[in-house]
Amino acid sequence: SYELTQPPSVSVSPGQTARITCSGDALPKQYAYWYQQKPGQAPVLVIYKDSERPSGIPERFSGSSSGTTVTLTISGVQAEDEADYYCQSADSSGTIWVFGGGTKLTVL
Amino acid sequence: EVQLVESGGGLIQPGGSLRLSCAASGFTVSSNYMSWVRQAPGKGLEWVSVIYSGGSTYYADSVKGRFTISRDNSKNTLYLQMNSLRAEDTAVYYCARLAAEFYYGMDVWGQGTTVTVSS
Repeated sequence: SYELTQPPSVSVSPGQTARITCSGDALPKQYAYWYQQKPGQAPVLVIYKDSERPSGIPERFSGSSSGTTVTLTISGVQAEDEADYYCQSADSSGTIWVFGGGTKLTVL
Repeated sequence: EVQLVESGGGLIQPGGSLRLSCAASGFTVSSNYMSWVRQAPGKGLEWVSVIYSGGSTYYADSVKGRFTISRDNSKNTLYLQMNSLRAEDTAVYYCARLAAEFYYGMDVWGQGTTVTVSS
């Protein structure tokens, strides 16, 4: 079965840049999405189509893609950005959707 | 206001069945791709199933043959029929809309309903 691989955790100090990667064989063919989830809350879409940002999401959130890896970058991290982040995409057939294992972002 | 509200969760014995509902407001379920996503206690998100606007359905291997996604257009409601439940199906179940505007990113989520499978 198809899998997306994320690092379990990333730690940064306030004001620094956090980068969270997600790897998967079908990522060159399928769009990637990123979600932020805070404790006890439903996920929130922060990036779609690899690098697009929905309205209402701060500009410090950005996405990029290179080969089989996509990256969520949070520039000038703030304390409120501490959360779990999940990438999501589809397999090469486009019919099976998958989430990465999630990355816990800690703001030191 | 665009909103999803899940219901139907609860405590169920292994081998039992449960039907989850997801009532939508502010948009039409049948015109959108809709999905169920679950999250086991302390674990990450797991995609469960999707129904496309044309009616095609797809499932994660972990639930294929046991779960069925459907919708009632007259009630603007999405369902997940869960049969032969196992302990590992214990999770918070979310329904979500996959919005064409966002290239099928999940832009609207419900608050979740908790399913506990235990004897």
